[in-house]
Amino acid sequence: DQQVKQNSPSLSVQEGRISILNCDYTNSMFDYFLWYKKYPAEGPTFLISISSIKDKNEDGRFTVFLNKSAKHLSLHIVPSQPGDSAVYFCAASHGGTSYGKLTFGQGTILTVHP
Amino acid sequence: DAGVIQSPRHEVTEMGQEVTLRCKPISGHDYLFWYRQTMMRGLELLIYFNNNVPIDDSGMPEDRFSAKMPNASFSTLKIQPSEPRDSAVYFCASSLQETQYFGPGTRLLVL
Repeated sequence: DQQVKQNSPSLSVQEGRISILNCDYTNSMFDYFLWYKKYPAEGPTFLISISSIKDKNEDGRFTVFLNKSAKHLSLHIVPSQPGDSAVYFCAASHGGTSYGKLTFGQGTILTVHP
Repeated sequence: DAGVIQSPRHEVTEMGQEVTLRCKPISGHDYLFWYRQTMMRGLELLIYFNNNVPIDDSGMPEDRFSAKMPNASFSTLKIQPSEPRDSAVYFCASSLQETQYFGPGTRLLVL
């Protein structure tokens, strides 16, 4: 049972344009969501997060949107740069006995063309 | 802080051999996680600790896998005996709250 899904395995975008990466989840208990970026031969690095009490969080070129009713979140990168080319994972967590544990999506490969 | 440190970065071994992966979490973090990444299954959580105590090991694939955290600054993941299907990248991560910080990973190849 995949509780966090990234249905697009890959995305190709032109430099300067917007990149939109999508993520859906099924567990309504999730209350905290994160995006990680991963370059080849490196570990995932934290990018941005959002709590379920918000619907938007912005950090520079990166904005995460959360639609709780649709159980959907998205990551917008504006403007996209070639250095943004990486694998992007969304992840979710909830409290209680599972506090601290993240459930990851399968990842989306973003390629930004010069 | 140096971040999460993992060793070795690469390991090549033969089937049946014991493999030990090591992790030093970020100082002050009280959660430690072991993940495995493969093409087929993506990023899987194997086990995680809180204050050196294993909390959830439901992701450990078989009894051949074991993990320990003898103190707050060190953890090991052991595979004995190793098999070719264990070939993967193994990540260690640590956290204080929800945000986990990952090490560079150990790329394991079992021949």
